[in-house]
Amino acid sequence: ILNVEQSPQSLHVQEGDSTNFTCSFPSSNFYALHWYRWETAKSPEALFVMTLNGDEKKKGRISATLNTKEGYSYLYIKGSQPEDSATYLCASANTGNQFYFGTGTSLTVIP
Amino acid sequence: EAQVTQNPRYLITVTGKKLTVTCSQNMNHEYMSWYRQDPGLGLRQIYYSMNVEVTDKGDVPEGYKVSRKEKRNFPLILESPSPNQTSLYFCASSGTAFQFGEQYFGPGTRLTVT
Repeated sequence: ILNVEQSPQSLHVQEGDSTNFTCSFPSSNFYALHWYRWETAKSPEALFVMTLNGDEKKKGRISATLNTKEGYSYLYIKGSQPEDSATYLCASANTGNQFYFGTGTSLTVIP
Repeated sequence: EAQVTQNPRYLITVTGKKLTVTCSQNMNHEYMSWYRQDPGLGLRQIYYSMNVEVTDKGDVPEGYKVSRKEKRNFPLILESPSPNQTSLYFCASSGTAFQFGEQYFGPGTRLTVT
């Protein structure tokens, strides 16, 4: 069992603010780190898959970085909009095809 | 439209009554997986499959069975459901090895066992 931790657990920001979340995972036997966006009453949707130390990925106003040596990833949202309100999940794959998800960061963007 | 479908979406059943939750994907994906979501816990992997007739246990396989007789289908079987299996279940598929490919999730099945 892998211990994947996300912080903060929840976050409220004003529209237009930039924000970031953290995902911590065991660095040993690292394979990949995934970020998913999960809106209420919907299914999780993939944002990024990162495998290499120093990886940086970007999709619109959302970006992510990866540090496999120290076992953390950051997700950044620039200029938050109400439609960004969702729970953001990270998942680490360290052995085989098993995935371990964190409990997520719930983001609420206040108009 | 590329999608993962699950049926039923909602199910209330009684302890011990065998049930099957179906999962089907139309993307020709090799990799499929089942997860359960419980309050305060992250998604936990139950079983996964890397191809037809190839399945393996995830983190919480006890009380569940799966089969992969066709590439597109990956049913989850609860032979004798118990109240602690009350949960939200997701099926997911990926076109490459789980580690490296994004997963596509089904709409979820909310199961209540009384």
